[in-house]
Amino acid sequence: GAVVSQHPSWVICKSGTSVKIECRSLDFQATTMFWYRQFPKQSLMLMATSNEGSKATYEQGVEKDKFLINHASLTLSTLTVTSAHPEDSSFYICSASFPTRGRGLFFGSGTQLSVL
Amino acid sequence: GESVGLHLPTLSVQEGDNSIINCAYSNSASDYFIWYKQESGKGPQFIIDIRSNMDKRQGQRVTVLLNKTVKHLSLQIAATQPGDSAVYFCAESGAGKSTFGDGTTLTVKP
Repeated sequence: GAVVSQHPSWVICKSGTSVKIECRSLDFQATTMFWYRQFPKQSLMLMATSNEGSKATYEQGVEKDKFLINHASLTLSTLTVTSAHPEDSSFYICSASFPTRGRGLFFGSGTQLSVL
Repeated sequence: GESVGLHLPTLSVQEGDNSIINCAYSNSASDYFIWYKQESGKGPQFIIDIRSNMDKRQGQRVTVLLNKTVKHLSLQIAATQPGDSAVYFCAESGAGKSTFGDGTTLTVKP
């Protein structure tokens, strides 16, 4: 069964609004979670590393004020896309390392964001 | 800079045949590699991993080969089935994060 739960699966919003995506680790604690972005027929691009109890680490070129990450508990990380625009439309995926799986990641089911 | 890339973007095989998906990496310091499978509209799914101190690792119907001399990684799928149709990514793990290659789309013909 799934070990990482991500919600919502898809969301449609108007330009200028904010959207929150949740990522939960099920039955295990994840001090670190990762947020990826994927455009159609492209690979996954790491956006940021979410650290429980501290600030997220953003990859070069990712706007931290636009993509707000909060990791307030050991089982929940959230990504908020603020003032979304059509170019933010993408597939967003979170992941976490499972304690006994080494550095292999378990991924959520992804969130398809469409900004009108 | 470091990169992880795949040789071919698409691969089509007949059901029952073996599939080989290749991947090249450029960071010689990489010490851990993972193969993922991604079905349409879903998140990637862990298939198999290998550490740099190994040359080969086998799982259920899958084998990963690592050639550190030429910085090449491959995934072999035995007796490919229609359910294997997906995009396959290799990833290199280091410094607490994973870097993904471009992906190979595997299509299995019945």
